[in-house]
Amino acid sequence: GDSVTQMEGPVTLSEEAFLTINCTYTATGYPSLFWYVQYPGEGLQLLLKATKADDKGSNKGFEATYRKETTSFHLEKGSVQVSDSAVYFCALSDRGNTPLVFGKGTRLSVIA
Amino acid sequence: GAVVSQHPSRVICKSGTSVKIECRSLDFQATTMFWYRQFPKQSLMLMATSNEGSKATYEQGVEKDKFLINHASLTLSTLTVTSAHPEDSSFYICSAREGYGEKLFFGSGTQLSVL
Repeated sequence: GDSVTQMEGPVTLSEEAFLTINCTYTATGYPSLFWYVQYPGEGLQLLLKATKADDKGSNKGFEATYRKETTSFHLEKGSVQVSDSAVYFCALSDRGNTPLVFGKGTRLSVIA
Repeated sequence: GAVVSQHPSRVICKSGTSVKIECRSLDFQATTMFWYRQFPKQSLMLMATSNEGSKATYEQGVEKDKFLINHASLTLSTLTVTSAHPEDSSFYICSAREGYGEKLFFGSGTQLSVL
């Protein structure tokens, strides 16, 4: 079945450092891909998405590019802030905007 | 922004008892709600989709008689784990979609531990 694998955390970075969180997927079709973020004490929120190969999703300085050839959707940000500290989940869906499978989540801690 | 309230956040119960988890959309009408679960060290996976006023649609491998879903109003869906057993111990999260929009709004989850 469909699955998502993302790098294990926790990840600890200094403020203004470059962030990469790896995500790869397996799927039978051409899924939509998502990154969700969960801030402390809150529910998951959609951060960005991409619906087809080579699409780039971006939001709040975060970017991820749908790479069909490597079945990847790595999350990047050029300069992280303390407020980016959260748990990040990669997810996929073959039903439009309804995520079916999430990765296990990667906890990011950014220190000043 | 839209808020989804999920209760309880944590529940511990004895084997054989039933547990009800509530998911409420506080400031919007949720025509569709979704229930997910995450076993320890596993991925979060969709269990079922419920539309207000109709029966839930369960994903393959999810027992509908064990996980009863009720979506009786546009602001409330409940998941009842019937006759819970230790293997049902998991993290359950609900999400809700407003109308036919794209966005999903998630609750903060319920950690169920069955002794």
